[in-house]
Amino acid sequence: EAEVAQSPRYKITEKSQAVAFWCDPISGHATLYWYRQILGQGPELLVQFQDESVVDDSQLPKDRFSAERLKGVDSTLKIQPAELGDSAMYLCASSLTGYGSPLHFGNGTRLTVT
Amino acid sequence: EDQVTQSPEALRLQEGESSSLNCSYTVSGLRGLFWYRQDPGKGPEFLFTLYSAGEEKEKERLKATLTKKESFLHITAPKPEDSATYLCAVGQGGSEKLVFGKGTKLTVNP
Repeated sequence: EAEVAQSPRYKITEKSQAVAFWCDPISGHATLYWYRQILGQGPELLVQFQDESVVDDSQLPKDRFSAERLKGVDSTLKIQPAELGDSAMYLCASSLTGYGSPLHFGNGTRLTVT
Repeated sequence: EDQVTQSPEALRLQEGESSSLNCSYTVSGLRGLFWYRQDPGKGPEFLFTLYSAGEEKEKERLKATLTKKESFLHITAPKPEDSATYLCAVGQGGSEKLVFGKGTKLTVNP
């Protein structure tokens, strides 16, 4: 079964440093999402792409976070500078276009900011 | 404001002891209610989608049902391998994103 690939699996960084996460969605999935999940909470949407275009980034802290999906396939999420409160699991998901389609998640990147 | 509330937050069962998890929602224009299973350190794994009140879906020991205000995930004769966090999410009108609840952490003891 096709999977969403994410790397790295774990990342430890010091506050004020830059960090980047990569995601490769399931082939053919036009919609890509980045979610953030704090321990004990449900995932919260950061940004949604339709092909290479941003559809929803209303919850993305744009002063420090950026996301891109240049060719409409894989995507990168960047944080600069990282803050202690950014420690969380960063999940990438993809879906076939269409309302009501299930999201398929990768195994995430666990970020720890020290 | 659209909301998804799951209860209980945590549930401990003995192997074979059936129970139900609840997901209540307030959303304008429901475009699907989704159940996911999440194991520690992993991403959520898709289980079911329900689209309309009265709909039911089953998979092994799990059965999901939907009303106009809530969904239940029934677990029949659970086994230790069913231990996980179960997340509920709703798709809302005009958007493809999913809004998640905080989850129910299920522990099944042998």
